[in-house]
Amino acid sequence: DVKVTQSSRYLVKRTGEKVFLECVQDMDHENMFWYRQDPGLGLRLIYFSYDVKMKEKGDIPEGYSVSREKKERFSLILESASTNQTSMYLCASSPRGGSGANVLTFGAGSRLTVL
Amino acid sequence: QQPVQSPQAVILREGEDAVINCSSSKALYSVHWYRQKHGEAPVFLMILLKGGEQKGHEKISASFNEKKQQSSLYLTASQLSYSGTYFCGIINAGNNRKLIWGLGTSLAVNP
Repeated sequence: DVKVTQSSRYLVKRTGEKVFLECVQDMDHENMFWYRQDPGLGLRLIYFSYDVKMKEKGDIPEGYSVSREKKERFSLILESASTNQTSMYLCASSPRGGSGANVLTFGAGSRLTVL
Repeated sequence: QQPVQSPQAVILREGEDAVINCSSSKALYSVHWYRQKHGEAPVFLMILLKGGEQKGHEKISASFNEKKQQSSLYLTASQLSYSGTYFCGIINAGNNRKLIWGLGTSLAVNP
């Protein structure tokens, strides 16, 4: 069963801590995405990557960075966590071309609480 | 521009039908429908492309109205398993394939 795996379902961190959210996919997808999901705000794109070592900013990149050293792994980094980054974070992947490029497979999510 | 989904929420009894709409202020290239059950990841349902046919997934189907710049998701003879939040994502014509998400429609199916 193909899937996207996020390493932590629940995390609690303190303000100012550095936070790593890991995402691994086993579908050999070129595209990977990080979203945050908040009530009333829907899904908002933080960063995406269309190839190894490539990244592009999404709609809300401030306060975040990403790393993609291997095709299957896409990491989201909060350099200095703040309380307004408390949220559900969703990782997704998709194949490169055609209409399939926008068929996203999502991970189960990582719920981050920053105290 | 974010698509507008309506209604925001709907409650059904098992076996009833529902329609969820997704409207864009700009010309549509494609519309994508996902369902997210409580505590789970969003799951892809279907894509509708400009000029394409109506799609179906079990008893869930969708249409694409190019003139109205709108897609409608039809849930027929709803089942308890249909409960969740339905999201549409749109790609507008000429926007470099960027997927823009609606805020979702919460659907609850009761026995």
